[in-house]
Amino acid sequence: GDSVTQMEGPVTLSEEAFLTINCTYTATGYPSLFWYVQYPGEGLQLLLKATKADDKGSNKGFEATYRKETTSFHLEKGSVQVSDSAVYFCALVKGTSYGKLTFGQGTILTVHP
Amino acid sequence: DAGVIQSPRHEVTEMGQEVTLRCKPISGHDYLFWYRQTMMRGLELLIYFNNNVPIDDSGMPEDRFSAKMPNASFSTLKIQPSEPRDSAVYFCASSKGARETQYFGPGTRLLVL
Repeated sequence: GDSVTQMEGPVTLSEEAFLTINCTYTATGYPSLFWYVQYPGEGLQLLLKATKADDKGSNKGFEATYRKETTSFHLEKGSVQVSDSAVYFCALVKGTSYGKLTFGQGTILTVHP
Repeated sequence: DAGVIQSPRHEVTEMGQEVTLRCKPISGHDYLFWYRQTMMRGLELLIYFNNNVPIDDSGMPEDRFSAKMPNASFSTLKIQPSEPRDSAVYFCASSKGARETQYFGPGTRLLVL
């Protein structure tokens, strides 16, 4: 079945450091890929998405590129802030799955001043 | 738009009691999802609806759990009887289309004593 694997966390960085959170997926067909972010005590919210191969999603300085050849959708940010501390979830959905999102396990990011 | 609305935000109950969680999706969205989040199991999809019809309830843990969507603007998740292992954060999400972004509510934090 479909699956999403994220890098093990937690990730701890200093402010202004470069961030990479790896995400790889296993799925047949052509899924859409998402990164969701969950701030403490809140629900998940969409950070960015990509719907086809080579698409780049971007938002709030975060970027991820849909790489079909490596089945990856790594999240990057050039300079993190303390306010980026949150849990990040990679996810996929296929048209044939009627909207059923498959989530990764989540990666906890903590950014120190 | 007000976003996805969930109530109550917090619920504390005793084992054996009935618990009802409520969700109002974003107007115009045709998919509604119920998730459960725990530290041990992460984010789990319990059930989802398309145009008020349950599509997949394979994630519902057992017969104590039931969900309904009597109309396009309201859904309930009921646990009867509740048990301490049901303690979790329950999220409702909605989307417009199967491959589109899911918008999450703030969640209901349930504690069963």
